[in-house]
Amino acid sequence: EAGVAQSPRYKIIEKRQSVAFWCNPISGHATLYWYQQILGQGPKLLIQFQNNGVVDDSQLPKDRFSAERLKGVDSTLKIQPAKLEDSAVYLCASSPPGREHYEQYFGPGTRLTVT
Amino acid sequence: TQLLEQSPQFLSIQEGENLTVYCNSSSVFSSLQWYRQEPGEGPVLLVTVVTGGEVKKLKRLTFQFGDARKDSSLHITAAQTGDTGLYLCAGLQGGKLIFGQGTELSVKP
Repeated sequence: EAGVAQSPRYKIIEKRQSVAFWCNPISGHATLYWYQQILGQGPKLLIQFQNNGVVDDSQLPKDRFSAERLKGVDSTLKIQPAKLEDSAVYLCASSPPGREHYEQYFGPGTRLTVT
Repeated sequence: TQLLEQSPQFLSIQEGENLTVYCNSSSVFSSLQWYRQEPGEGPVLLVTVVTGGEVKKLKRLTFQFGDARKDSSLHITAAQTGDTGLYLCAGLQGGKLIFGQGTELSVKP
């Protein structure tokens, strides 16, 4: 079974530029999460989708971050404009039906460097 | 302020030694999970503990959930170089997983 796919794996941009990350969850997983992991810290939830609806985006900085999951499958996370403090690894995860929170399968992440 | 505090933050040991990593909080969690993360990869779930006082064993790894569901520990017996990685605890609270800052384990041959 294929795991959670993310692209790109690495991205370097200058501050005030925009960037987008893509995630394709495990087939059949209705729940999708985006996390931000700053160096030396644990992942922090940014947004959680159930199919194509948002369940929790309370920690998403909505003035610059946006995310969508239009067809309930793959998802895109965008940052515009980027700040230096956005440098982090952005992780996507998905859960099988009925196992939300108890089983999360993570992708390899996208390492973003903002200069 | 970190809701889940892990200790130690860094641990370097020799192969064959035993070690314990702690995950502490003043808050109660519905369940608690332990993950292992290698460089350049996402976290991989090791175990989920749900009941206060629960003990789970996974080969050389033993996980315990505190009676009050506020803390947990991970004990590794006879560590191997393949155990090297970042160990993360994560508690379920308010429908959201809250992660600790991680314990970076290095096992030297």
